[in-house]
This record gives sequence, structure tokens and C-alpha cells, in this order.
Amino acid sequence: KNQVEQSPQSLIILEGKNCTLQCNYTVSPFSNLRWYKQDTGRGPVSLTIMTFSENTKSNGRYTATLDADTKQSSLHITASQLSDSASYICVVSDILTGGGNKLTFGTGTQLKVEL
Amino acid sequence: EAGVAQSPRYKIIEKRQSVAFWCNPISGHATLYWYQQILGQGPKLLIQFQNNGVVDDSQLPKDRFSAERLKGVDSTLKIQPAKLEDSAVYLCASSLGNSRETQYFGPGTRLLVL
Repeated sequence: KNQVEQSPQSLIILEGKNCTLQCNYTVSPFSNLRWYKQDTGRGPVSLTIMTFSENTKSNGRYTATLDADTKQSSLHITASQLSDSASYICVVSDILTGGGNKLTFGTGTQLKVEL
Repeated sequence: EAGVAQSPRYKIIEKRQSVAFWCNPISGHATLYWYQQILGQGPKLLIQFQNNGVVDDSQLPKDRFSAERLKGVDSTLKIQPAKLEDSAVYLCASSLGNSRETQYFGPGTRLLVL
């Protein structure tokens, strides 16, 4: 069964500090991995997407890494801001017979940035 | 570019009542998804449409949930009758092509079943 596990479940950091969120998956065959940011009361918004051949992707202060061999990904947030407070969801896509994709969502890491 | 629109934003009903949610995807997006997100969990796909055809409804509780996308644009998701465990946020998303492409999510409808 395809699974995506994220850690930590929740995290509190001070504004300006860096942090790293982890994602381990067992999805196979692998197609791509996405990180989404979900603000409270809003729908998820895509931050990065990486395919098998990519091992790093940046979007401003967000940098995602992918190790397809160990089936691990991380999301690094640099110089955190109060607006980074949100749930960060790791989503892994497999390849279905017939060319479609099925997404497996992690449960998310709840990040709170404080003054 | 307008985003994915959903209504209502909030709904409170009693168990055994019926409820319907509406979604208008981004213009030109062929694929539409309905997700259920229970508090503290990631979204769970309920149904995926490609234009007006169903691609995947394997996790849709068909005894009480139904969805349609008659003209390949707007979609409605219905629960009849609702149970307490249906309390969740119902997210609608759309993508230009198939699920290999980035999905854009609406703000969701928060349902509370009492």
C-alpha cells in the first residue's frame, strides 16, 4: 500500500530561524513529489514539484530535496517569517497502468513561527 | 486568473440530513477532483473527473455520496444522509490535464454534522 509519512507532526520556531521538514514515502512506481502549503482555512497551494531525475528545487525561501533511492524528501525553509505558519503537505504521485496518476497525501507538518 | 471557487464556505447540518457542495474549476481545466480532509489529516481523494467522465471514484462511499459534472465544467458533491463522521473540509481542485499536472485547490467547504 502506498504511504507518505511526514515528520515532525508539528513544529514551533522563532521568526528568522531555519527549519527542515521531512517526508518518507513508499509510493511505487514513482512519478513525482510535490510540497504544498496549506494556510488555515484555505486550500493547499503548490510550492515545488520534483520528478525522479531532480534532486533539488527552490521557490524563494523554500528549497525541496529528493533522494529517490532512499525515498526521502525534505523541505527547508530559510529565514522563516510569521506568514510561513501553515501546514506543509508532502504529496507523492505514482504511475497507473493506462498513463494516469494517483496521488498519496501525507498528513502534513503543522509549522508555527513565533516572534 | 480566477481560482477554483467553492460554495458554501461553511455548513452545519444534523445527522441524516442532506447537503450539497458546489465547485467551479479554473476555466479550461479538464480535470476536477473532490477531496475530503478530516482535521489533522491530509486530503483523501473522493472522486476525479476528466471532463464529464469519472476517472477514479474508488474511495467514494457510494451508499451516501454522489457527485456529478454534467457539462464538464461545474461540479456538485452530495451527501445523503450525512453521518457524524462526515464532518470535514471538502476541497475541490482542478488541473489543466491529468493528475500529473499541478492541482489548484479551492478554499474548501467546512462541514459540521451534529
